[in-house]
Amino acid sequence: NAGVTQTPKFQVLKTGQSMTLQCAQDMNHEYMSWYRQDPGMGLRLIHYSVGAGITDQGEVPNGYNVSRSTTEDFPLRLLSAAPSQTSVYFCASSLVFGTATTYGYTFGSGTRLTVV
Amino acid sequence: AQKITQTQPGMFVQEKEAVTLDCTYDTSDPSYGLFWYKQPSSGEMIFLIYQGSYDQQNATEGRYSLNFQKARKSANLVISASQLGDSAMYFCAMSYGKLTFGQGTILTVHP
Repeated sequence: NAGVTQTPKFQVLKTGQSMTLQCAQDMNHEYMSWYRQDPGMGLRLIHYSVGAGITDQGEVPNGYNVSRSTTEDFPLRLLSAAPSQTSVYFCASSLVFGTATTYGYTFGSGTRLTVV
Repeated sequence: AQKITQTQPGMFVQEKEAVTLDCTYDTSDPSYGLFWYKQPSSGEMIFLIYQGSYDQQNATEGRYSLNFQKARKSANLVISASQLGDSAMYFCAMSYGKLTFGQGTILTVHP
């Protein structure tokens, strides 16, 4: 099925461990982004990409790295996990990147990450 | 800087009644888009409705309508004839390229 695929759905890490959250879309979307959702704070933008080879920081980038080597994939890396990174992570994509888009955004189903 | 504010942490409504969820935004960009998303307890993000900053008419999608007051920078969601399945978290979001979210409002529909 077309859409945004996130893996894994659940993950428990120990403090200091590293891991990569995977995000893939098969809709040829130009724009891809990562959000974290914490209670009372909505979804906050971590990093985003407007095309292969182009990435930029969002509102809360510290502790996270991204790369975009292909149009389809946008992995999020936690280099040294901390308890403050316990959250639900969403990947979202959109056909184009612009100041106002009618194309909408497609969200993955989320990854629930716990860092102990 | 762009900002979205939802001032109602929680709202209650009786089944079959209408409810308005508030959203205000702040931007100096004349071109932007406003979205509402629903997040049920299962966690997925469900797109409800979109309003462009240059749209003259308020957007409507079935039981959902967006009360867009550009001068007041508000984009309230109106849900008519509430159903039990409408109980969920609702997010207002603004797109100016990137998508910025408000804090969310938890809606509970009572039978």
